[in-house]
Amino acid sequence: DSGVTQTPKHLITATGQRVTLRCSPRSGDLSVYWYQQSLDQGLQFLIQYYNGEERAKGNILERFSAQQFPDLHSELNLSSLELGDSALYFCASSAEGTNYPSGNTIYFGEGSWLTVV
Amino acid sequence: DQQVKQNSPSLSVQEGRISILNCDYTNSMFDYFLWYKKYPAEGPTFLISISSIKDKNEDGRFTVFLNKSAKHLSLHIVPSQPGDSAVYFCAASQTGANNLFFGTGTRLTVIP
Repeated sequence: DSGVTQTPKHLITATGQRVTLRCSPRSGDLSVYWYQQSLDQGLQFLIQYYNGEERAKGNILERFSAQQFPDLHSELNLSSLELGDSALYFCASSAEGTNYPSGNTIYFGEGSWLTVV
Repeated sequence: DQQVKQNSPSLSVQEGRISILNCDYTNSMFDYFLWYKKYPAEGPTFLISISSIKDKNEDGRFTVFLNKSAKHLSLHIVPSQPGDSAVYFCAASQTGANNLFFGTGTRLTVIP
């Protein structure tokens, strides 16, 4: 158990709909990351928040947005869903916001399976 | 643009033998490298890491080697056990950056 909690674990929705994925980071971690893993793809970085503020943005579509709340939990909002958005969405957390000399180890949740039909 | 590449999608090894998983990267600014293991229906689990100031890091049966000039790293598992069967992801980051770049993973199967 990494200490990162994601809900829901599975979600099936129709095209054009909107969903929200929720993540609670490990206790004490200030950084939250969202990653997408599509079939046969590696983990694609979407976005990072650090202590409530957006820190870095990756390959996140404009239809997607995220936020981190004062209690440090985060939500990833996916709207106008398309079939190609079906994927496993991972949340991860780490203590620090940047890569220190000793490195920044990220701990992952179990993921939220999104199926768009 | 895939900055971290794992060119072998799968690898099968006999129990007790050595497993060698390879990873190449293109960004010379990367200075921290990690390996994650992923079982089905679970999130990736941190396994071992190495800083660019080292060329080897060992943790029990797992050793990571880094060849900076070749922009190549490898994970050695000795001896391999059936429980090691999983997908292994290589990841890299650079000082001051905020995220990890992942490879596409290598599925390791250890045959009893």
